[in-house]
Amino acid sequence: GAVVSQHPSRVICKSGTSVKIECRSLDFQATTMFWYRQFPKQSLMLMATSNEGSKATYEQGVEKDKFLINHASLTLSTLTVTSAHPEDSSFYICSARDRLASGGTQYFGPGTRLLVL
Amino acid sequence: GESVGLHLPTLSVQEGDNSIINCAYSNSASDYFIWYKQESGKGPQFIIDIRSNMDKRQGQRVTVLLNKTVKHLSLQIAATQPGDSAVYFCAESFTGRRALTFGSGTRLQVQP
Repeated sequence: GAVVSQHPSRVICKSGTSVKIECRSLDFQATTMFWYRQFPKQSLMLMATSNEGSKATYEQGVEKDKFLINHASLTLSTLTVTSAHPEDSSFYICSARDRLASGGTQYFGPGTRLLVL
Repeated sequence: GESVGLHLPTLSVQEGDNSIINCAYSNSASDYFIWYKQESGKGPQFIIDIRSNMDKRQGQRVTVLLNKTVKHLSLQIAATQPGDSAVYFCAESFTGRRALTFGSGTRLQVQP
Protein backbone atom coordinates (compact mmCIF):
# COMPACT_ATOMS: atom_id res chain seq x y z
CA GLY A 1 0.00 0.00 0.00
CA ALA A 2 0.89 3.66 -0.27
CA VAL A 3 3.34 4.78 2.39
CA VAL A 4 3.96 8.29 3.60
CA SER A 5 6.77 9.08 6.00
CA GLN A 6 7.50 12.10 8.15
CA HIS A 7 10.70 13.26 9.74
CA PRO A 8 11.31 13.91 12.52
CA SER A 9 8.71 12.01 14.50
CA ARG A 10 9.08 14.39 17.39
CA VAL A 11 11.02 17.54 18.06
CA ILE A 12 11.58 19.80 21.03
CA CYS A 13 12.84 23.29 20.37
CA LYS A 14 13.29 26.60 22.09
CA SER A 15 10.93 29.48 21.50
CA GLY A 16 12.05 31.61 18.58
CA THR A 17 13.76 28.88 16.62
CA SER A 18 12.59 27.40 13.33
CA VAL A 19 11.71 23.78 12.77
CA LYS A 20 11.51 21.92 9.48
CA ILE A 21 9.31 18.87 9.04
CA GLU A 22 9.62 16.61 6.00
CA CYS A 23 6.87 14.60 4.36
CA ARG A 24 7.74 11.95 1.81
CA SER A 25 5.68 9.65 -0.35
CA LEU A 26 7.76 6.50 -0.47
CA ASP A 27 6.19 4.38 -3.19
CA PHE A 28 4.16 6.80 -5.22
CA GLN A 29 4.32 10.26 -6.69
CA ALA A 30 2.23 13.02 -5.22
CA THR A 31 1.55 16.28 -7.00
CA THR A 32 -0.51 17.31 -4.03
CA MET A 33 0.27 16.99 -0.36
CA PHE A 34 -1.61 18.37 2.58
CA TRP A 35 -0.52 19.62 5.99
CA TYR A 36 -2.77 19.27 9.00
CA ARG A 37 -2.42 20.28 12.62
CA GLN A 38 -4.05 18.37 15.44
CA PHE A 39 -4.32 19.55 19.03
CA PRO A 40 -4.91 17.03 21.81
CA LYS A 41 -8.31 15.34 21.69
CA GLN A 42 -9.29 17.37 18.66
CA SER A 43 -9.76 16.67 15.00
CA LEU A 44 -7.38 17.34 12.16
CA MET A 45 -7.44 20.89 10.87
CA LEU A 46 -6.19 21.52 7.36
CA MET A 47 -3.45 24.14 7.29
CA ALA A 48 -2.46 24.19 3.66
CA THR A 49 -2.37 22.34 0.38
CA SER A 50 1.09 21.81 -1.01
CA ASN A 51 1.37 21.78 -4.78
CA GLU A 52 4.44 20.41 -6.52
CA GLY A 53 6.24 23.16 -8.37
CA SER A 54 3.97 25.96 -7.28
CA LYS A 55 2.97 27.95 -4.23
CA ALA A 56 1.02 26.35 -1.45
CA THR A 57 -2.59 27.23 -0.81
CA TYR A 58 -3.23 28.19 2.79
CA GLU A 59 -6.46 27.87 4.71
CA GLN A 60 -8.03 30.93 6.21
CA GLY A 61 -6.31 31.99 9.40
CA VAL A 62 -3.04 30.17 8.69
CA GLU A 63 -0.08 32.52 8.37
CA LYS A 64 1.88 31.66 5.26
CA ASP A 65 4.96 33.52 6.46
CA LYS A 66 4.99 31.53 9.67
CA PHE A 67 4.33 28.12 8.14
CA LEU A 68 6.54 27.92 5.08
CA ILE A 69 5.75 25.10 2.70
CA ASN A 70 7.97 23.84 -0.08
CA HIS A 71 7.02 21.05 -2.47
CA ALA A 72 10.06 20.77 -4.67
CA SER A 73 9.57 17.24 -5.97
CA LEU A 74 6.83 14.69 -6.52
CA THR A 75 7.80 12.85 -3.38
CA LEU A 76 8.77 15.53 -0.87
CA SER A 77 7.04 18.42 0.84
CA THR A 78 8.45 20.36 3.77
CA LEU A 79 6.79 22.47 6.41
CA THR A 80 8.92 24.98 8.28
CA VAL A 81 7.53 26.50 11.43
CA THR A 82 9.38 29.79 11.69
CA SER A 83 10.03 31.55 14.99
CA ALA A 84 8.16 28.87 16.84
CA HIS A 85 6.31 29.71 20.05
CA PRO A 86 4.73 27.49 22.71
CA GLU A 87 1.30 27.90 21.12
CA ASP A 88 2.67 26.22 17.98
CA SER A 89 3.16 23.02 19.95
CA SER A 90 0.98 20.46 18.26
CA PHE A 91 0.86 17.26 16.24
CA TYR A 92 1.58 18.02 12.59
CA ILE A 93 0.42 15.47 10.04
CA CYS A 94 0.92 15.39 6.31
CA SER A 95 -0.98 13.45 3.69
CA ALA A 96 -0.48 12.81 0.02
CA ARG A 97 -2.58 11.88 -2.97
CA ASP A 98 -1.27 9.40 -5.50
CA ARG A 99 -1.28 11.31 -8.78
CA LEU A 100 -1.83 8.11 -10.75
CA ALA A 101 -4.73 6.81 -8.68
CA SER A 102 -8.32 7.73 -9.34
CA GLY A 103 -10.44 9.04 -6.51
CA GLY A 104 -9.51 11.27 -3.65
CA THR A 105 -7.92 8.91 -1.15
CA GLN A 106 -5.25 10.56 0.91
CA TYR A 107 -2.56 8.58 2.66
CA PHE A 108 -1.32 10.00 5.91
CA GLY A 109 2.09 10.16 7.46
CA PRO A 110 2.70 9.09 11.06
CA GLY A 111 2.79 12.68 12.29
CA THR A 112 5.38 14.91 13.94
CA ARG A 113 4.94 16.02 17.49
CA LEU A 114 6.34 19.48 18.06
CA LEU A 115 6.96 20.85 21.52
CA VAL A 116 8.12 24.44 21.80
CA LEU A 117 9.57 25.40 25.16
CA GLY B 1 -19.21 27.31 7.53
CA GLU B 2 -19.53 23.79 6.22
CA SER B 3 -18.64 21.14 8.70
CA VAL B 4 -18.65 17.49 9.37
CA GLY B 5 -19.56 16.37 12.85
CA LEU B 6 -20.23 13.30 14.94
CA HIS B 7 -23.06 12.50 17.31
CA LEU B 8 -21.13 10.49 19.92
CA PRO B 9 -17.73 11.43 21.24
CA THR B 10 -17.11 8.06 22.92
CA LEU B 11 -18.46 4.61 22.18
CA SER B 12 -17.79 1.67 24.46
CA VAL B 13 -18.55 -1.85 23.26
CA GLN B 14 -17.85 -5.40 24.34
CA GLU B 15 -15.41 -7.48 22.38
CA GLY B 16 -17.26 -9.43 19.74
CA ASP B 17 -20.14 -7.00 19.48
CA ASN B 18 -20.83 -4.92 16.42
CA SER B 19 -20.00 -1.21 16.55
CA ILE B 20 -21.74 1.61 14.77
CA ILE B 21 -20.10 5.01 14.53
CA ASN B 22 -22.15 7.86 13.11
CA CYS B 23 -21.30 11.04 11.31
CA ALA B 24 -23.39 13.95 10.08
CA TYR B 25 -22.26 16.29 7.35
CA SER B 26 -23.70 19.59 6.30
CA ASN B 27 -22.29 20.25 2.85
CA SER B 28 -24.86 19.04 0.35
CA ALA B 29 -22.20 19.26 -2.37
CA SER B 30 -20.06 16.58 -0.69
CA ASP B 31 -19.77 13.55 -2.90
CA TYR B 32 -16.86 11.63 -1.43
CA PHE B 33 -16.58 10.29 2.10
CA ILE B 34 -13.86 8.46 3.94
CA TRP B 35 -13.49 6.83 7.32
CA TYR B 36 -10.14 6.95 9.05
CA LYS B 37 -8.87 5.22 12.18
CA GLN B 38 -6.33 6.99 14.33
CA GLU B 39 -4.45 5.29 17.12
CA SER B 40 -2.81 7.34 19.82
CA GLY B 41 0.24 9.24 18.58
CA LYS B 42 -0.14 8.03 15.00
CA GLY B 43 -1.44 9.37 11.75
CA PRO B 44 -4.90 8.47 10.43
CA GLN B 45 -5.23 5.13 8.69
CA PHE B 46 -7.59 4.71 5.75
CA ILE B 47 -10.44 2.29 6.47
CA ILE B 48 -13.01 2.62 3.73
CA ASP B 49 -14.48 5.20 1.40
CA ILE B 50 -17.71 5.72 -0.49
CA ARG B 51 -18.93 7.98 -3.25
CA SER B 52 -22.30 9.63 -3.34
CA ASN B 53 -23.55 7.41 -6.15
CA MET B 54 -23.57 4.54 -3.66
CA ASP B 55 -25.39 4.05 -0.38
CA LYS B 56 -23.44 1.09 0.93
CA ARG B 57 -19.99 -0.30 0.62
CA GLN B 58 -18.43 -3.25 2.38
CA GLY B 59 -14.90 -4.07 3.28
CA GLN B 60 -13.30 -6.59 5.57
CA ARG B 61 -15.40 -6.49 8.77
CA VAL B 62 -16.44 -2.91 7.96
CA THR B 63 -19.41 -1.43 6.19
CA VAL B 64 -20.07 2.20 5.37
CA LEU B 65 -23.60 3.42 4.86
CA LEU B 66 -24.45 6.73 3.26
CA ASN B 67 -27.82 8.44 3.53
CA LYS B 68 -27.71 11.51 1.36
CA THR B 69 -31.26 12.50 2.18
CA VAL B 70 -30.39 13.24 5.79
CA LYS B 71 -26.67 13.81 5.19
CA HIS B 72 -25.64 10.95 7.42
CA LEU B 73 -22.75 8.53 7.24
CA SER B 74 -22.08 5.51 9.42
CA LEU B 75 -19.29 3.01 9.92
CA GLN B 76 -20.20 -0.45 11.07
CA ILE B 77 -17.52 -2.71 12.47
CA ALA B 78 -18.44 -6.35 12.83
CA ALA B 79 -17.15 -8.49 15.67
CA THR B 80 -15.26 -5.62 17.26
CA GLN B 81 -11.83 -6.53 18.58
CA PRO B 82 -9.56 -4.82 21.14
CA GLY B 83 -7.33 -3.76 18.28
CA ASP B 84 -10.20 -1.70 16.92
CA SER B 85 -9.90 0.66 19.89
CA ALA B 86 -8.99 4.04 18.44
CA VAL B 87 -10.48 7.35 17.39
CA TYR B 88 -12.49 7.20 14.20
CA PHE B 89 -12.92 10.19 11.94
CA CYS B 90 -15.19 10.69 9.00
CA ALA B 91 -14.01 13.05 6.31
CA GLU B 92 -15.65 14.49 3.29
CA SER B 93 -14.83 16.24 0.09
CA PHE B 94 -16.47 17.18 -3.15
CA THR B 95 -15.60 17.23 -6.81
CA GLY B 96 -13.14 20.01 -7.50
CA ARG B 97 -11.82 20.17 -3.95
CA ARG B 98 -8.74 18.13 -3.29
CA ALA B 99 -8.64 18.62 0.47
CA LEU B 100 -10.66 16.77 3.07
CA THR B 101 -12.76 18.18 5.88
CA PHE B 102 -12.65 16.07 9.00
CA GLY B 103 -15.33 15.47 11.56
CA SER B 104 -14.70 15.80 15.27
CA GLY B 105 -14.01 12.12 15.88
CA THR B 106 -15.43 9.29 17.98
CA ARG B 107 -13.36 7.30 20.41
CA LEU B 108 -14.14 3.61 20.28
CA GLN B 109 -13.30 1.64 23.40
CA VAL B 110 -13.50 -2.12 23.19
CA GLN B 111 -13.90 -3.91 26.49
CA PRO B 112 -12.38 -7.40 26.63
